[in-house]
Amino acid sequence: EAQVTQNPRYLITVTGKKLTVTCSQNMNHEYMSWYRQDPGLGLRQIYYSMNVEVTDKGDVPEGYKVSRKEKRNFPLILESPSPNQTSLYFCASSGVVGKLFFGSGTQLSVL
Amino acid sequence: KQEVTQIPAALSVPEGENLVLNCSFTDSAIYNLQWFRQDPGKGLTSLLLIQSSQREQTSGRLNASLDKSSGRSTLYIAASQPGDSATYLCAGEDNTDKLIFGTGTRLQVFP
Repeated sequence: EAQVTQNPRYLITVTGKKLTVTCSQNMNHEYMSWYRQDPGLGLRQIYYSMNVEVTDKGDVPEGYKVSRKEKRNFPLILESPSPNQTSLYFCASSGVVGKLFFGSGTQLSVL
Repeated sequence: KQEVTQIPAALSVPEGENLVLNCSFTDSAIYNLQWFRQDPGKGLTSLLLIQSSQREQTSGRLNASLDKSSGRSTLYIAASQPGDSATYLCAGEDNTDKLIFGTGTRLQVFP
């Protein structure tokens, strides 16, 4: 089954403790991206990647890192999480056509 | 900076009605446009993708159109059903490959 898999589904952590949210797709897509969704603000893009070893900042990249060492994986790294990064995070991928496939989301709470 | 407005923000209708959801962009320079559906606590599902060379797309009871001159898109839902209840989001891709999302229309269809 074609899908984008994010883990974990839920995560509670404390300020300053490094964490990684994993994202993997099995559709051989070139494009992958990360979004955060906050009430009243909608979805905002954090980072995106057009292909392996190519990453670019989205609208809200501060406090986040990404890497794209393999085509299928695009992890999101929070080196020193802060409470304002409490949010619902989505990973997505798309191929040449452009239709975007989303993961199920990661609800992150930073205390 | 590109901003996306979706009207109405919320809509409650009886089953069987034909619906029109609107999406407008402050900058009419939109390339690809997608409409998504989001169910509570879940990720987004792409419904329709209008590519840069197209003006509309249809899938079953759904029809989406894009007027690039005005920067507006419309999602038409025919013969609405309770299963259509969800939040509908539009997203436009600008000339930097970034996808900008609207804040959504929350739809409830009651029997």
